[in-house]
Amino acid sequence: QVQLVQSGAEVKKPGSSVKVSCKTSGGTFSSYVITWVRQAPGQGLECMGGIIPMFGTGNYAQKFQGRVTITADESTNTAYMELSSLRSEDTAVYYCARGEQVGPLDFWGQGTLVIVSS
Amino acid sequence: DTQMTQSPSSLSASVGDRVTITCRASQGIANFLAWYQQKPGKVPKLLIYAASTLQSGVPSRFSGSGSGTDFTLTISSLQPEDVATYYCQKYNSAPGTFGPGTKVDVK
Repeated sequence: QVQLVQSGAEVKKPGSSVKVSCKTSGGTFSSYVITWVRQAPGQGLECMGGIIPMFGTGNYAQKFQGRVTITADESTNTAYMELSSLRSEDTAVYYCARGEQVGPLDFWGQGTLVIVSS
Repeated sequence: DTQMTQSPSSLSASVGDRVTITCRASQGIANFLAWYQQKPGKVPKLLIYAASTLQSGVPSRFSGSGSGTDFTLTISSLQPEDVATYYCQKYNSAPGTFGPGTKVDVK
């Protein structure tokens, strides 16, 4: 069974960075897309970008260009999302999810709460 | 980027009612459209992909239709456990933009 397990909750200061991990098991890691989706409190789902580990290059939504970096480590089947220059509006639950190339997101991580507060 | 809209933003219906949610894409996306269900405090769950294909394990009262720019999600007989927010998502190209969501409640 495919599982995505994310790192724990974080509290960060404005202006700092956060790096969230997503370890996958039970399936082929390298050829699937790992997508990062965030959800601010009481708000909808927002796609930040994704990566196909075998290609190694992240693809980012325009809103997050220059502030987000998505990477993957094929040796540990783990994907990472780093968001920099944090502000209070970045307070959200961050999810990783897996999908086929040009496919829906069929498996999701449990979510990681990131709180940005001074 | 292709924008996704949904209507209504919320609805309340009785158990057993037929419920229909609409999703519209600002550009044609063929059938590269998925629907997700998110119950309060839970992780989103894939219900339907390719506009009309039911994900394994999803009850048959859920169905999807549409192609191009206009899509619908139908719950044929609303159940109490269907209380959730429903999101459409296009996935023909990155980023996989989501619609704003439709909150479904039971009267």
